[in-house]
Amino acid sequence: QVQLVQSGAEVKKPGASVKVSCKASGYTFTGYYMHWVRQAPGQGLEWMGRINPNSGGTNYAQKFQGRVTMTRDTSISTAYMELSRLRSDDTAVYYCARELPTVTTSWFDPWGQGTLVTVSS
Amino acid sequence: SYVLTQPPSVSVAPGQTARITCGGNNIGSKSVHWYQQKPGQAPVLVVYDDSDRPSGIPERFSGSNSGNTATLTISRVEAGDEADYYCQVWDSSSDPHYVFGTGTKVTVL
Repeated sequence: QVQLVQSGAEVKKPGASVKVSCKASGYTFTGYYMHWVRQAPGQGLEWMGRINPNSGGTNYAQKFQGRVTMTRDTSISTAYMELSRLRSDDTAVYYCARELPTVTTSWFDPWGQGTLVTVSS
Repeated sequence: SYVLTQPPSVSVAPGQTARITCGGNNIGSKSVHWYQQKPGQAPVLVVYDDSDRPSGIPERFSGSNSGNTATLTISRVEAGDEADYYCQVWDSSSDPHYVFGTGTKVTVL
């Protein structure tokens, strides 16, 4: 079955960087864009960006431009999201999600289990 | 950016029908997708493309979209349906292109 498995929880100090991984299985990794979405405690879902696993091309939300880097390793079907210059308000659960596109729209299915990143001094 | 507005909460008795709205400017011209998120879990797709259901999602979940409002309807509500629900659209003119609603907490009384 299609599955996304993320790396474990992280605790970081302000100003540091964090790198979260997302290992895909059950489908052709290079055939679908991978997205990253975060959710602060008690808050809603916030789209961060996406990567084309085939080409490595990326698109980031303007809010995260300059702080986020999305990469992939096709040999192990894994996508990565690195967020730098962490602040306390970056404390959140970070999800990866596969995009399923049509000509006019797209949605996310499935999602990874989430990775809690806590930023605290 | 494109804004999707949902009611913060909806309460419903078991066996009754829950309706969760998602408001957006001319949302009827877009395709709307819905996700269910139970506490401590990742979101799960329950309706895509306004009214289609992924395999494994009960027929009790249905969707509609017209004008400025999309609606997720849960018929014969069960205790296990208690969760947060988010709508989502793709909007080419918005930044970001992928927009989520504010979320609705469904409480089963």
